[in-house]
Amino acid sequence: GAVVSQHPSRVICKSGTSVKIECRSLDFQATTMFWYRQFPKQSLMLMATSNEGSKATYEQGVEKDKFLINHASLTLSTLTVTSAHPEDSSFYICSARRGGQGPYEQYFGPGTRLTVT
Amino acid sequence: GNSVTQMEGPVTLSEEAFLTINCTYTATGYPSLFWYVQYPGEGLQLLLKATKADDKGSNKGFEATYRKETTSFHLEKGSVQVSDSAVYFCALNTDKLIFGTGTRLQVFP
Repeated sequence: GAVVSQHPSRVICKSGTSVKIECRSLDFQATTMFWYRQFPKQSLMLMATSNEGSKATYEQGVEKDKFLINHASLTLSTLTVTSAHPEDSSFYICSARRGGQGPYEQYFGPGTRLTVT
Repeated sequence: GNSVTQMEGPVTLSEEAFLTINCTYTATGYPSLFWYVQYPGEGLQLLLKATKADDKGSNKGFEATYRKETTSFHLEKGSVQVSDSAVYFCALNTDKLIFGTGTRLQVFP
């Protein structure tokens, strides 16, 4: 149990376009979902935290108008990178947490590699 | 601020060799410490954790001891297997998870 999927696993888009990444909890209800970003040889950096039905809380330095997060249901969160640029190329990872669990009890998706050309 | 530093990889070992992956941290207060593992094509999984000083976390033959005096949480395994090949992340938790950069382990038969 506690499986989290991401779709797509890889995406290539042209500069200036938008791309949506989906994160789904397959066998549990996720009251909280997290989005991370990972650059090569660097650690995962938390971008934002979203609770179902609420606006996402963004970490300092993350542009909320550029990285749109929607957590419309207990099993689905989406990250939309708007007007993507090459510097947005990265590995994006989501995680999900059941209600009442501690902050470290997150179940991670396999990640999505975004390449902006 | 809070941070985690872990040794760079890749770490390359033969099967049955002893493994150590170093991890040190900087934190205010008393964080919980974790090791996560990421197998190829999969998401990060919690491997083990320790919530207070001198606690030893263990799982699947891996161990790590929370050393407050040296601010360390080194991962060890006495005899690695090919199936242990993965990326290992050290992390600490205050109000959110803070990860190290990950260490790739490659075990050859």
